[in-house]
Amino acid sequence: EAGVTQFPSHSVIEKGQTVTLRCDPISGHDNLYWYRRVMGKEIKFLLHFVKESKQDESGMPNNRFLAERTGGTYSTLKVQPAELEDSGVYFCASSQLSLRGIDTQYFGPGTRLTVL
Amino acid sequence: QQPVQSPQAVILREGEDAVINCSSSKALYSVHWYRQKHGEAPVFLMILLKGGEQKGHEKISASFNEKKQQSSLYLTASQLSYSGTYFCGTPGVSGSARQLTFGSGTQLTVLP
Repeated sequence: EAGVTQFPSHSVIEKGQTVTLRCDPISGHDNLYWYRRVMGKEIKFLLHFVKESKQDESGMPNNRFLAERTGGTYSTLKVQPAELEDSGVYFCASSQLSLRGIDTQYFGPGTRLTVL
Repeated sequence: QQPVQSPQAVILREGEDAVINCSSSKALYSVHWYRQKHGEAPVFLMILLKGGEQKGHEKISASFNEKKQQSSLYLTASQLSYSGTYFCGTPGVSGSARQLTFGSGTQLTVLP
């Protein structure tokens, strides 16, 4: 079974430019999460999709970040315009919907974003 | 609130044991443990549920004490492959494993 995949693995852009990150979750996983790790600090939650609906986007830093999950499959995270402080590693994770509410989140390898 | 992990870093020789602690100021329903090697995806190790049960993964086990609001990860007879950064994550309200709040990580280095 394929794991969570993310594209690109690395992205270097200039301040003010736009970048779009993509995440393909494990097939059949309804839950999709975006997280970010900045400067070797802790991994921080950005938002959570259940199928195509945004369940929680309380971790999104500001309105320069836009996440979509059309059709409940893959998801994109767009940063427009990018700022220096957006640099970091963006992780995607997915899990199966569980009635018990306890899910195992499987992480992708991340996209390392560098804003110059 | 972010769980607190200790120690921040540990260096040990192959075959030695290590303990990584994770504590929270809020009530815990479950604790999720991950290991990340540099440049790779965080890999799920185990989930500890309330009830104080212990779980194991190879020679890695963990305990969860919801009264003390803490979990400990035990690495026994460590191998070189155990090197990496270990994170504990705690779920949101109502024990739901929706978004996880992670500790700052414990960097484990196993030397030959």
